[in-house]
Amino acid sequence: GAGVSQTPSNKVTEKGKYVELRCDPISGHTALYWYRQSLGQGPEFLIYFQGTGAADDSGLPNDRFFAVRPEGSVSTLKIQRTERGDSAVYLCASSLGLAGGNTDTQYFGPGTRLTVL
Amino acid sequence: RKEVEQDPGPFNVPEGATVAFNCTYSNSASQSFFWYRQDCRKEPKLLMSVYSSGNEDGRFTAQLNRASQYISLLIRDSKLSDSATYLCVVNKSSYKLIFGSGTRLLVRP
Repeated sequence: GAGVSQTPSNKVTEKGKYVELRCDPISGHTALYWYRQSLGQGPEFLIYFQGTGAADDSGLPNDRFFAVRPEGSVSTLKIQRTERGDSAVYLCASSLGLAGGNTDTQYFGPGTRLTVL
Repeated sequence: RKEVEQDPGPFNVPEGATVAFNCTYSNSASQSFFWYRQDCRKEPKLLMSVYSSGNEDGRFTAQLNRASQYISLLIRDSKLSDSATYLCVVNKSSYKLIFGSGTRLLVRP
């Protein structure tokens, strides 16, 4: 079946611009996660959705970052007034969520590589 | 101090070698543990979960030592295709994965 998909695969923008990154989770997965991976580092948690609601957004670095999942499926990560330090790979993952129990496996998408010039 | 620490490597080994990676974690309340594999410019993929009793999947063996708060991964009979970055992952809650920075493995012919 189809895995997690993310668009665009690459995004180059200028400092100060606004960007939107999209994630399509695996069909039937109620949980969705955003992570950010900088060069040479492991992914860092940003936000977790269970259904439509953001159950934990403690990883968002500041108020320039915002994410939505209005219908409990597709999610959009929005970054305002981008800075050079926002350059990274933004990874989305999905899982069964509450039905998955303690061994709920997160499946990752291919990521969006964001470059802020 | 990072919550999950790994030796970044690279570990450069010949085909057929046995190689072991360790990682340590700082939060004793961590609930579940995993090894993910990440190929260059690709997404992380679950390699295996790690249990206190130890578990094996083919050439791969994972161990967890809760008392010492470390996790290990052993790869036997290394293949060229094993070349990748191996991420040690700890789950503090039912959803939040905490990743180490990864250990890079290079298997040479």
